[in-house]
Amino acid sequence: DIQMTQSPSSLSASVGDRVTITCRASENINTYLNWYQQKPGKAPMLLIYGASTLQSGVPSRFRGSGSGTDFTLTISSLQPEDFATYYCQQNYGSLTFGQGTNLDIK
Amino acid sequence: QVQLQESGPGLVKPSQTLTLTCTVSGDSISSGSYYWGWIRQPAGKGLESLGRIYTSGSTTYNPSLKSRVTISRDTSKNQFSLELSSVTAADTAVYYCAREIHGRIDFWGQGTLVTVSS
Repeated sequence: DIQMTQSPSSLSASVGDRVTITCRASENINTYLNWYQQKPGKAPMLLIYGASTLQSGVPSRFRGSGSGTDFTLTISSLQPEDFATYYCQQNYGSLTFGQGTNLDIK
Repeated sequence: QVQLQESGPGLVKPSQTLTLTCTVSGDSISSGSYYWGWIRQPAGKGLESLGRIYTSGSTTYNPSLKSRVTISRDTSKNQFSLELSSVTAADTAVYYCAREIHGRIDFWGQGTLVTVSS
């Protein structure tokens, strides 16, 4: 299985901050990388697919980048509704997810 | 709009088989280029894909669970199902059904909590 490792596991930030979450794959996955946002008690929601393509309806303050083994999700200016847990997921092989990054209010 | 809804027992005894059904509306599980799958999430933990079924009926499973997982479908009801055998407390989780296209999950059910306990 391809292992996905996110960092940090948790992150505190303020409204208006720029934040970056990193995801590393245990082997080369090209750009077969997706990002999801999950709020408590809800199913995850797709934010970015193919490492950098914004899902329809997702605000442009979310940006994904990377290829190979190293990927980042950047939120350019945090809004109150962005405080949530974020997961990366690879689809180069059997689907696997990172362990999640919990983003909370400082 | 595609909608998925999980149903099934919320409590299963250890060593028994967990069975869940996902009812899909707004799309057909037997047409298009989609996979229909199951993902679970233990409380406070991350997401784990269990397996999926393609519109052709072919299936793929998580290698770590392959011996215990079966995914099937009933196209006449536009439903697909999960069977997980020999459950233990470690299988307690919220179970989601979902639609996957090109490796990304674009629609999710609301999730259903299954507790394994005697």
